[in-house]
Amino acid sequence: GAGVSQSPRYKVAKRGQDVALRCDPISGHVSLFWYQQALGQGPEFLTYFQNEAQLDKSGLPSDRFFAERPEGSVSTLKIQRTQQEDSAVYLCASSHNRGGRVPGELFFGEGSRLTVL
Amino acid sequence: SQQGEEDPQALSIQEGENATMNCSYKTSINNLQWYRQNSGRGLVHLILIRSNEREKHSGRLRVTLDTSKKSSSLLITASRAADTASYFCATDKWHWTGNNRKLIWGLGTSLAVNP
Repeated sequence: GAGVSQSPRYKVAKRGQDVALRCDPISGHVSLFWYQQALGQGPEFLTYFQNEAQLDKSGLPSDRFFAERPEGSVSTLKIQRTQQEDSAVYLCASSHNRGGRVPGELFFGEGSRLTVL
Repeated sequence: SQQGEEDPQALSIQEGENATMNCSYKTSINNLQWYRQNSGRGLVHLILIRSNEREKHSGRLRVTLDTSKKSSSLLITASRAADTASYFCATDKWHWTGNNRKLIWGLGTSLAVNP
């Protein structure tokens, strides 16, 4: 596709449920990032992939959060046993630049809004 | 943790006026980027300024960077109602020895341009 695609756009989960959020980056983009954005806040870094390698997962808030990008393209963010504090918009972004080299702009998806009841 | 701090938090102006937003950060950086976010949408990249640059223009946007004061400003000239959005600064400090790169974001300035 022309841009970064995220699904679902909206997800309502009951506390304790597992959820999976999908990100389809721009074709050929090496770098992929997941961010969490609470209402009225800026994005908070969760994790970073370069191709299929997860090079930084320091922002994942707990071991209930897990991300993968097995073939270096589509990525999935999984949240197990969701809690109310997990309610936020989860943004995916991709970039054609390698993470440790020349900086470049990030291309964001529209986000997945998760509400945990 | 968030590094950037934008001010004002909210700004309301009339169409045609200029809008100025400021961003301060705490640690040294390699570059600073400004992004725009319409309500309920993803972020869109506006402009990137490197640490060795002092000013950059893109259409109606003008960005300045003062590394001695650890601050940046975004000026939107001749504002339009369509400029209504939240504006975020993000600082980049990538590590040469590794493959890690992550932007550190501010809380954003909410701009309302009234017709």
